[in-house]
Amino acid sequence: QVQLVQSGAEVKKPGSSVKVSCRASGGTISRYAISWVRQAPGQGLEWMGGIIPIVGIANYAQKFQGRVTITADKSTSTAYMDLNSLRSEDTAVYFCARGPPRNYASGSYYNGEHYQYWAQGTLVTVSS
Amino acid sequence: SYVLTQPPSVSVAPGKTARITCGGNDIGSTSVHWYQQKPGQAPVLVMSYDSDRPSGIPERFSGSNSGNTATLTITRVEAGDEADYYCQVWDSSSDHGVFGTGTKVTVL
Repeated sequence: QVQLVQSGAEVKKPGSSVKVSCRASGGTISRYAISWVRQAPGQGLEWMGGIIPIVGIANYAQKFQGRVTITADKSTSTAYMDLNSLRSEDTAVYFCARGPPRNYASGSYYNGEHYQYWAQGTLVTVSS
Repeated sequence: SYVLTQPPSVSVAPGKTARITCGGNDIGSTSVHWYQQKPGQAPVLVMSYDSDRPSGIPERFSGSNSGNTATLTITRVEAGDEADYYCQVWDSSSDHGVFGTGTKVTVL
């Protein structure tokens, strides 16, 4: 049973970058698609982007295009979300999440992608 | 981009039925998934593919999806069901995940 564990809370200055990790314990991430979802204080869930680690293909929500980079290291079963040019509005809890195990070798997502398991979340605070 | 609209809040008395809607253009032609989120916790999947309950989710939770509206129904509501609920679809035209605006369920 693959569980997801994220790195710890971060405090960043405006204009800087943050990199949050998401490690899959108990197995490999190669059978999953990993997505990153954020939640600003008192707000709803917001899909940022995702990656298919087995082929290394990432895609991003238009809102974050050019500011976010999602990568994965299959050798350590770890996915990363790198967000730059931070501003106060980026203060949020960032979650990685995965769905059921599937064959993603083609690099294609399945219609009906959803998130069966979530990591605990990482609070990123952007403040001067 | 695809938009999913939920009512901001639903209030229900214990033992009664709560219905949470999720509106989207022709949403009935795609699969809808639902998450429950309690304060300070990560979301929990409570319904997948419109009406499939994951293991461990009570039978009191059910789902439907047709036309422009998907619905999560909670029967015999308990105090522990008080939480935020989000619908979600996969927009295959863009390969993006989309979440609804969220509904706060309050048990009176």
